[in-house]
Amino acid sequence: QKEVEQNSGPLSVPEGAIASLNCTYSDRGSQSFFWYRQYSGKSPELIMFIYSNGDKEDGRFTAQLNKASQYVSLLIRDSQPSDSATYLCAVNPILTGGGNKLTFGTGTQLKVEL
Amino acid sequence: EAQVTQNPRYLITVTGKKLTVTCSQNMNHEYMSWYRQDPGLGLRQIYYSMNVEVTDKGDVPEGYKVSRKEKRNFPLILESPSPNQTSLYFCASRLRGLAGVNTGELFFGEGSRLTVL
Repeated sequence: QKEVEQNSGPLSVPEGAIASLNCTYSDRGSQSFFWYRQYSGKSPELIMFIYSNGDKEDGRFTAQLNKASQYVSLLIRDSQPSDSATYLCAVNPILTGGGNKLTFGTGTQLKVEL
Repeated sequence: EAQVTQNPRYLITVTGKKLTVTCSQNMNHEYMSWYRQDPGLGLRQIYYSMNVEVTDKGDVPEGYKVSRKEKRNFPLILESPSPNQTSLYFCASRLRGLAGVNTGELFFGEGSRLTVL
């Protein structure tokens, strides 16, 4: 089982719709969770991080964490063509990484269509 | 401007010819790390460093060496490169975080695309 799993996509949504990106992780002791966005040919950049169960909102982005089910998701409201990118889920595993590693999923490619 | 700088950005080399990819950050970050990114495999951690003279293996350390003699620099050394090390490499840094736990944003360099023939 991969430490962090994401559907590779591509996930296609029409402009203005809600895009939902999901991620599951295997290390039950993981404490911090991150969503990075990576445009083609560019380096990853942080969009959001979440530590506590529940929802965290920042503008059009909402991160959701459910530690019992070991999943974290990212919702993008009012999707724009500029949101087209690969979204990387990253997890800070405690049991396997001692708190110092950051393990990434393979990413979900999002395409927002006009 | 706060940044992580990697050099070279692009490199084509041959099997067995030692090379070093430099990484420097100007944000006074304690934590630095190297990742490689391959299609279908995502970002995988090679080595990381919590502070000067402290380095540790990530998930794919074989064939790589690192050193952390200064806080700002974290070079990646390929002693004898092989074709399976052809990849896109990213250096990243962040503040150490509370009690060593990863709580901070990871800042990435622009990447170094390495081809080993």
